[in-house]
Amino acid sequence: QKEVEQNSGPLSVPEGAIASLNCTYSDRGSQSFFWYRQYSGKSPELIMFIYSNGDKEDGRFTAQLNKASQYVSLLIRDSQPSDSATYLCAVNTGGSQGNLIFGKGTKLSVKP
Amino acid sequence: DGGITQSPKYLFRKEGQNVTLSCEQNLNHDAMYWYRQDPGQGLRLIYYSQIVNDFQKGDIAEGYSVSREKKESFPLTVTSAQKNPTAFYLCASTRERKNTEAFFGQGTRLTVV
Repeated sequence: QKEVEQNSGPLSVPEGAIASLNCTYSDRGSQSFFWYRQYSGKSPELIMFIYSNGDKEDGRFTAQLNKASQYVSLLIRDSQPSDSATYLCAVNTGGSQGNLIFGKGTKLSVKP
Repeated sequence: DGGITQSPKYLFRKEGQNVTLSCEQNLNHDAMYWYRQDPGQGLRLIYYSQIVNDFQKGDIAEGYSVSREKKESFPLTVTSAQKNPTAFYLCASTRERKNTEAFFGQGTRLTVV
């Protein structure tokens, strides 16, 4: 069974701090990795994707991928109360099924 | 604007009743998916389809059925065999199987009354 694991949280950080969200996956053949943000009662929206080892930065967001450790993370710099949401990690194994496997999500709370 | 449209936004089902959730996309995506999300839980895959007239069961297909007669449409029927259908249902699509992100509809919240 292919799995994606996330700490459910809640993760609480003060406004302006760095929030660090972590995700591990079981399928070593996984090829692409995504971070989605989901506000309560809403559908997930894509905020970052990463395919290669290393860091990828987009504004206040940085995704980090380490395929050897089967680990992907999301850093949010200068956290804002509007960043408070559940963050879902998703992995595409690229296999015959080719579907995304989602973690259960980490709930982030940014306190003013 | 291209996107995925799910309807209705809210749906109420009586015991023993079948209901159908609509999902339409105009993104020209090949693959479409149905997920179920329960409170505080992640997304669990119900069914997916990578091509017209073909679909596969996901992890929790029991009590659900789908069809894919057109590329744009992937309706989900929640049958009376699904004993605990109250949940948030999400439809998604991807351009192709590998290395592409999923785009989601706005979701349908189904409640058994």
